[in-house]
Amino acid sequence: GEDVEQSLFLSVREGDSSVINCTYTDSSSTYLYWYKQEPGAGLQLLTYIFSNMDMKQDQRLTVLLNKKDKHLSLRIADTQTGDSAIYFCAGPMDSSYKLIFGSGTRLLVRP
Amino acid sequence: NAGVTQTPKFQVLKTGQSMTLQCAQDMNHEYMSWYRQDPGMGLRLIHYSVGAGITDQGEVPNGYNVSRSTTEDFPLRLLSAAPSQTSVYFCASSRDRGRFSGANVLTFGAGSRLTVL
Repeated sequence: GEDVEQSLFLSVREGDSSVINCTYTDSSSTYLYWYKQEPGAGLQLLTYIFSNMDMKQDQRLTVLLNKKDKHLSLRIADTQTGDSAIYFCAGPMDSSYKLIFGSGTRLLVRP
Repeated sequence: NAGVTQTPKFQVLKTGQSMTLQCAQDMNHEYMSWYRQDPGMGLRLIHYSVGAGITDQGEVPNGYNVSRSTTEDFPLRLLSAAPSQTSVYFCASSRDRGRFSGANVLTFGAGSRLTVL
């Protein structure tokens, strides 16, 4: 089954770029997602990438997918204090109805 | 459009008590699911449903029951609460019962924080 792993913590200075990494095990994953959770709130979908793509850009967000290494990353350009949150990557288990989430990366943006 | 609504937001139980966490969505979504969030463990899938009358187990189903009598509602029942069930619970839904895609994505509620003493 799918296993999704992330580093737990990242601290950056305001204005720098942030890179959050994720590795997954299920090579059949078709779509991979990034969600953001602000303190005390639910998860919001940030972006996603289809498995036939290597990169997707959406304003300050860039998603990179390395299928060979099963590695997914989320780059946030010009990181702001409002970007401080927990970021989760997620992918379907065995291409099924179950969406499996990583443990989440807590991003702290220092002024 | 309210989206996914969870009640209550906070609940404290004693060991052995029972309770139901409510989840309702007004988007006519076919798929609904329950996750629990614990520090350092991310979100783990408890149960899910691909439509009214159909439910199935996720990664951590023990100690929880669900039913799906209507499209809108997907309650999560704890029959005999244990301290290990102290967690934040999230309900999420998606439009279709089919596979996840760019158009068929999970929408989350705001969460219910449960403490079992």
